[in-house]
Amino acid sequence: KAGVTQTPRYLIKTRGQQVTLSCSPISGHRSVSWYQQTPGQGLQFLFEYFSETQRNKGNFPGRFSGRQFSNSRSEMNVSTLELGDSALYLCASKQGQDGYTFGSGTRLTVV
Amino acid sequence: AQSVTQPDIHITVSEGASLELRCNYSYGATPYLFWYVQSPGQGLQLLLKYFSGDTLVQGIKGFEAEFKRSQSSFNLRKPSVHWSDAAEYFCAVVTPSGGSYIPTFGRGTSLIVHP
Repeated sequence: KAGVTQTPRYLIKTRGQQVTLSCSPISGHRSVSWYQQTPGQGLQFLFEYFSETQRNKGNFPGRFSGRQFSNSRSEMNVSTLELGDSALYLCASKQGQDGYTFGSGTRLTVV
Repeated sequence: AQSVTQPDIHITVSEGASLELRCNYSYGATPYLFWYVQSPGQGLQLLLKYFSGDTLVQGIKGFEAEFKRSQSSFNLRKPSVHWSDAAEYFCAVVTPSGGSYIPTFGRGTSLIVHP
């Protein structure tokens, strides 16, 4: 059974640009969440999607957005990138009350 | 709001020694509790989880954790550490919110294993 797949693994962007990250959950998992991980702030919840609907949102500015498609794949977008957006972005999927299964993440560097 | 505290930022142990990583949470009721491990450059892997029932939970890789309601703790233990256990360990708390289960993570404990 394939795990959670995130693409790309590494990304370098310039300040002011926008970026789209992709996540393919485990087959059959309908819940997808995104986290930002930085050394200073740790793991911070971005948003959760379930059946194409955003069910919860963390405390991030509107520059951070996401969506989920009918096949449960999810994308997150960050517009007008800032240096502070450099982080490891983790996607996780789950089924029911099981714990989340995480992908390996996308390492975003903003220069 | 729920919160999770992992008091130890770093822990160093010798290979073969026992290990205990501490986790305390703040929440009115009994939450769902998880331990994850993260190797460098990787995502998080679920070690074990507690929902209810037996307060001693067995996980993968020889880890176990004990839920103590009176202390609001969920400490992770391993009787004999292997060099491959060196990683970052995260405790997480989940409280149901409108039907979803959003984990709040602790800041993590970095485990260093000496040969």
